[in-house]
Amino acid sequence: EVQLVESGGGLVQPGRSLRLSCAASGFTFDDYAMHWVRQAPGKGLEWVSGISWNSGSIGYADSVKGRFTISRDNAKNSLYLQMNSLRAEDTALYYCAKDPYDYWGQGTLVTVSS
Amino acid sequence: QSALTQPASVSGSPGQSITISCTGTSSDVGGYNYVSWYQQHPGKAPKLMIYEVSNRPSGVPDRFSGSKSGNTASLTISGLQAEDEADYYCSSYTSSSTLHVVFGGGTKLTVL
Repeated sequence: EVQLVESGGGLVQPGRSLRLSCAASGFTFDDYAMHWVRQAPGKGLEWVSGISWNSGSIGYADSVKGRFTISRDNAKNSLYLQMNSLRAEDTALYYCAKDPYDYWGQGTLVTVSS
Repeated sequence: QSALTQPASVSGSPGQSITISCTGTSSDVGGYNYVSWYQQHPGKAPKLMIYEVSNRPSGVPDRFSGSKSGNTASLTISGLQAEDEADYYCSSYTSSSTLHVVFGGGTKLTVL
């Protein structure tokens, strides 16, 4: 059974940093690209970042470019999102998703507030 | 990276059919056969319902179907059931890269 379990969310002040993790199981992790997608409270889905199977290709939404860094550790079947210079508008439920978005985690909530 | 355009809401009675549209540009929906549709119930993670315009993952009822014409993709649900009431989102690859995806704003489906 495919499982994606996010962790690392919480309440953080504007300008601070947070690192999200996604633990994957039930599939061959290093065969697939992975993504982070977020959903602000009461709002729609927004693609945040994606990374190819071997980390050779990486992409970011314009809204997070230069502040967020995606990475993966295939030996640990894990996906990460380092979020720096956080803003109030980054407040959202952050999902990790396996390409082609056929499996999603349950999300981890990030709240940016003073 | 503008969001794809979906109607805010649609509704239908049990047994009826509804169609949700998803309009983009030639740089996303119109340029690639990589349109997907997701169903999201309140408090739940999105669920993939359609991929590559018209393909259904295993386990998705054949009441759900997808199509595309030009820059507009569509999701049709036939034989509406109460459990179909949910938010629906489309997505598409974009010309930025194969990793870039743009989502639609979402459509709330109400089963009357």
